Order: sequence, then C-alpha cells, then structure tokens
Amino acid sequence: EAGVTQFPSHSVIEKGQTVTLRCDPISGHDNLYWYRRVMGKEIKFLLHFVKESKQDESGMPNNRFLAERTGGTYSTLKVQPAELEDSGVYFCASSQVALAGVYSNEQFFGPGTRLTVL
Amino acid sequence: QKEVEQNSGPLSVPEGAIASLNCTYSDRGSQSFFWYRQYSGKSPELIMSIYSNGDKEDGRFTAQLNKASQYVSLLIRDSQPSDSATYLCAVRGGSYIPTFGRGTSLIVHP
Repeated sequence: EAGVTQFPSHSVIEKGQTVTLRCDPISGHDNLYWYRRVMGKEIKFLLHFVKESKQDESGMPNNRFLAERTGGTYSTLKVQPAELEDSGVYFCASSQVALAGVYSNEQFFGPGTRLTVL
Repeated sequence: QKEVEQNSGPLSVPEGAIASLNCTYSDRGSQSFFWYRQYSGKSPELIMSIYSNGDKEDGRFTAQLNKASQYVSLLIRDSQPSDSATYLCAVRGGSYIPTFGRGTSLIVHP
C-alpha cells in the first residue's frame, strides 16, 4: 500500500511568487493534516481536513496560505505571495477514522516538501 | 502555550549500548505521548505511543511515562548504527493535534 506522497519534494521560488504544494494521503484516510517545520524549530500544525471539510485551521499563519481538498482526496496548499519566512519543510499526514468515530491515534507522515523562498 | 522540550543533542552512543532520549512537556492535561523517528530527508515515522504511567516495551524500544513529573522517555537497547536518526517527541491533549518537540539527534557509532 502506498504511503502519503507529496509533490514537489523541493521548491525554490522568489519572494512574491506563488507556490502550490500537493499531498496525496493514504487511500481511505479521511483525515488529512498539514504541518510546517521552520529550520531549527519544531514541527507545527497548520490545519486539518476531515474529508473535504476544514476541521481546524487554527495553525494557518495568515491569509497568504490557502488549503483545499476538493473531493476529499488529495489536498493542495497554496502560498501566495510567498515571503522569506515561509521557507521550511511542509509535511502532510493522514489518518483513518475508526468505525466508532474516534480518531485513530496514528498519523502517517509524508516525506515533506522543502520550500525555499529567496 | 503548550511546550514540549527535548535536548537537541547530538546524543552519541556506541553500538550495543542503551540510548536514553528524554522529553518534558508543559500541559498537565496531556493524554497521549508519541515517539517518532526521522531519518534525514525522510518522513517522521511513529515508533512508540504510550498513554498511561509506567513502561511500554516493543522489541528494543521502551517508552516510559511519568505524568506527575511531566516526563516521557524512550530507551533503545542494543543500539545499532541504523538507529541513528532524529527522534521527535509529540504530546497530545484532548484534541487530536500533537505538539512536537524539536527532536534529539542520535548517533550510534560502531
């Protein structure tokens, strides 16, 4: 079974440009999460989808970030316009919803997209 | 502000020794505790989860939790060079969103 995949693996853009990151969760996983790790810091939560709905977007830094999950499958995270402080590694994770409706404890992470804004 | 603290390391141990990784957390309401292993350039991989005080063993790994002291640790017995990685501690309270530490770099030298 394929794990969580992310594209691209690396992206280098100039300040002011737009970048779109993509995440494909594990098939059948309703929950999809975006995280970001800035160099030297800890991994921080950005937002959470349950199927196509945004469950929690409290971690999104500002309105330059837009996440979508149309159809409840893959998700995109767009940064427009990118700023220098947006540089970091963006991780996506997914998890199942157990039959009882309780969130599975295990989140499976993708390899991340390393974004560099120059 | 919920915080999870880890010594960044690197922690260097000889092959075959026990590696001890420590983590403290600030939120007394935390209920779930996780250890992830991350090889350079790879995705974090969950290796242990623990929910109640005491020890939990899985192969060469033992997680220890002390809620009174707000402390969770990971012991790796018979350390191997392949265990060299960054180990992330993550703590979760009532929500499903974990708070991560910055990770401890472990180096196991032959």
